Amino acid sequence: DIQMTQSPSSLSASVGDRVTITCQASQDIRKYLNWYQQKPGKAPQLLIYDASNLELGVPPRFSGSGSGTDFTFTISSLQAEDVATYFCQHYDHLPFTFGPGTKVDIK
Amino acid sequence: EVQLVEAGGGWEQPGRSLRLSCAISGFTFDDHAVSWVRQAPGKGLEWVGFIRSKAFGGTTEYAASVKGRFTISTDDSKGIAYLQMNSLKTEDTAVYYCAREKNYSGYAFDYWGQGTLVTVSS
Repeated sequence: DIQMTQSPSSLSASVGDRVTITCQASQDIRKYLNWYQQKPGKAPQLLIYDASNLELGVPPRFSGSGSGTDFTFTISSLQAEDVATYFCQHYDHLPFTFGPGTKVDIK
Repeated sequence: EVQLVEAGGGWEQPGRSLRLSCAISGFTFDDHAVSWVRQAPGKGLEWVGFIRSKAFGGTTEYAASVKGRFTISTDDSKGIAYLQMNSLKTEDTAVYYCAREKNYSGYAFDYWGQGTLVTVSS
């Protein structure tokens, strides 16, 4: 199975800051990576699919990049409502696996 | 409007069975796969399995941790997907979500249910 790692595991930033999360796959997953946001007590929400495509309705301050084994997720200007845990997920082949998550809060 | 609503969670003893349901609206199993994803308390997300859309044969795939114990099926007339969980283990304790596959060339979960909690304990 492909192992997904994320860093950092948590971060604290100020409103307006640029926030970057990285996700690494244990083998080449081409562009087959998605990013989700999960707020406490809620279901995950798809933000980015295929590494860099913004899901419909998602604010453009969220973006993704990368291919192969190394991927980056960026919030260009952190807002209070972005407090959440962010997960990457690959779908290159079965089984689909998720990263362990990055918890983002406000400093 | 697309919606998925899970039901059927609760407490069950190890070795017993439980069936979860996922009532869908706003789409059909003809065009969209449906996955089950679980999240143990305070932990990350684990893909459990899925059922492909009818357009892709309606076949199922499972994570190794549940293969042979869990079965996914659908009742198309009722618009319900099921997760039959047999031989439950304490490590199956989690919130179980059903999620719709985004209808495009890849696999991304664009709509999720609210989740239902399954607790396996003696």
